[in-house]
Amino acid sequence: SQKIEQNSEALNIQEGKTATLTCNYTNYSPAYLQWYRQDPGRGPVFLLLIRENEKEKRKERLKVTFDTTLKQSLFHITASQPADSATYLCALDPLGTGFQKLVFGTGTRLLVSP
Amino acid sequence: DAGVIQSPRHEVTEMGQEVTLRCKPISGHDYLFWYRQTMMRGLELLIYFNNNVPIDDSGMPEDRFSAKMPNASFSTLKIQPSEPRDSAVYFCASSADRRNTIYFGEGSWLTVV
Repeated sequence: SQKIEQNSEALNIQEGKTATLTCNYTNYSPAYLQWYRQDPGRGPVFLLLIRENEKEKRKERLKVTFDTTLKQSLFHITASQPADSATYLCALDPLGTGFQKLVFGTGTRLLVSP
Repeated sequence: DAGVIQSPRHEVTEMGQEVTLRCKPISGHDYLFWYRQTMMRGLELLIYFNNNVPIDDSGMPEDRFSAKMPNASFSTLKIQPSEPRDSAVYFCASSADRRNTIYFGEGSWLTVV
């Protein structure tokens, strides 16, 4: 069956450290993988997109990797801050044709303590 | 831009009642999506529209759910009759085209008692 898995347990780290979140998928061949941030009581907000032919993408303190062989994406936040505390969702396009039918993981909650 | 606007933000209703959720997408966006989020199942696509036309409603759970988009600036998601298992956060989202960023609204928190 098709699955997207993110660690359901919260990730607790100290301010200044690098947070690494994992997204694994099975039985999909996405052309894109996206990461979103969701704060409590708010809608998801798009952060980064990485294409299947890209190994790594960076945006300020964020870095995403995409390994189509391992069927895994890693999301890194360097020099983490308490303001980075949120739930992070990965999403992929199962059809490889666009974002009309994104499939989301259940998210990992990140807690950054001062 | 005001972003995607949803109403109501919170609704508590009794089982069997009709629920109507409303959405105003970002002006100029051709795609509109309705998602549902629960703790157990996460964020799931219910239906999406392109240029006001429903394209794929395979995620709509039952015939009790219906969605319309009468014009480019308004969409509704209706549940009739509502059941306790429909309790969830319902998100509306829009995008300019099929390869563009999807923008989510703040959600409508529905509780059916």
